[in-house]
Amino acid sequence: KNQVEQSPQSLIILEGKNCTLQCNYTVSPFSNLRWYKQDTGRGPVSLTIMTFSENTKSNGRYTATLDADTKQSSLHITASQLSDSASYICVVSSGTYKYIFGTGTRLKVLA
Amino acid sequence: GAGVSQSPSNKVTEKGKDVELRCDPISGHTALYWYRQSLGQGLEFLIYFQGNSAPDKSGLPSDRFSAERTGGSVSTLTIQRTQQEDSAVYLCASSLAPDLQGSKPQHFGDGTRLSIL
Repeated sequence: KNQVEQSPQSLIILEGKNCTLQCNYTVSPFSNLRWYKQDTGRGPVSLTIMTFSENTKSNGRYTATLDADTKQSSLHITASQLSDSASYICVVSSGTYKYIFGTGTRLKVLA
Repeated sequence: GAGVSQSPSNKVTEKGKDVELRCDPISGHTALYWYRQSLGQGLEFLIYFQGNSAPDKSGLPSDRFSAERTGGSVSTLTIQRTQQEDSAVYLCASSLAPDLQGSKPQHFGDGTRLSIL
């Protein structure tokens, strides 16, 4: 069964600290992996998209990594800001229009 | 606006009533998706449109759910005889025509929060 699992479910950190969110997937076939940020009451917004051949991709303070052999991905947030408080969703595409969504990690950044 | 627009943003209705949710995709986006997001759950795929046709309706939970898209643009999701378990946030996304790798980014609206009393 195609699944995307994320950990931790929730995380609280202090402003300025770094954090890493994890994503494990069992999806076949694999096309690409995406990370989205979803603010409360808003739709998800794309942060990164990585194909099979890409190991890392950055978007400002967000850096995603992908290990296609172990089927793991991580999202590293550097120097967190209050505005980083949101849910982060890992999504794996299994081709053309099929996307499998994780349940997300809820991040809270405290001042 | 330049983004995906959904209306209404909130809808409260009584059990048994019909509801219609609307999605205006980004101009030029031929692909359109509907998802359902329940509390604590990942996004659940409902239906995918390419142009006006829906090659995959496999995610629609029951025959009370239907969707259409006209003019390759606006889409409506209709839920008939609503039940309490239909309460959720319904999200719409659009993208350029998907390639074989599914690499085109999806752009989401802010959703319709549906509450069934």
